[in-house]
Amino acid sequence: SYELTQPPSVSVSPGQTASITCSGDKLGDKYTCWYQQKPGQSPVLVIYQDTKRPSGIPERFSGSNSGNTATLTISGTQAIDEADYYCQTWDSSTAVFGGGTKLTVL
Amino acid sequence: QVQLVQSGAEVKKPGASVKVSCKASGYTFTGYYIHWVRQAPGQGLEWMGRINPHSGDTNYAQKFQGRVTMTRDTSISTAFMELNRLRSDDTVVYYCARDVGSSGGNAFDIWGPGTVVTVSS
Repeated sequence: SYELTQPPSVSVSPGQTASITCSGDKLGDKYTCWYQQKPGQSPVLVIYQDTKRPSGIPERFSGSNSGNTATLTISGTQAIDEADYYCQTWDSSTAVFGGGTKLTVL
Repeated sequence: QVQLVQSGAEVKKPGASVKVSCKASGYTFTGYYIHWVRQAPGQGLEWMGRINPHSGDTNYAQKFQGRVTMTRDTSISTAFMELNRLRSDDTVVYYCARDVGSSGGNAFDIWGPGTVVTVSS
């Protein structure tokens, strides 16, 4: 079965740029999306189709996808961005999630 | 506004079944697939399957084949997920989520609040 690999944790200082990677075989040939989840809350879609932002998502969130790696980039990271982030793609009509990355803003 | 409202928490015994509902509002229910995703405490997200509310067609993750049934009632804009032969490791939060597009193979843009199911003897 298809697997997506994310780093368990990423730390960033306020105002700096955070990058969260998601790796999978030929992932660049598929669309990837990203979800943000804060404790006790439902996930929120922040990036879909590799680079698109849903309405209401700040411009500091951006995405890219090439080769075997998709990347979520948060520019000018704020304390409110501290959360778990999950990548997701589709393989053989099955949705696949990465294991999640805990973003710490300190 | 567009939203999904799920049924309340459930406590079930091992071997029993649970049926969770997901009522859609604020959009045309039959125009977007509904997916079911679950999350164990402190763990990641796991896709269970999807239903096309227009046709009723379903696709299930291999892990849940034979144990899960997804249905819908278009008259009340509600999707249902029934899981049978419950085990202790089915003690998780179950989410329904709307597909952002009409093809069912996209991202999930609207999520329900989650339904906690506890399986305990």
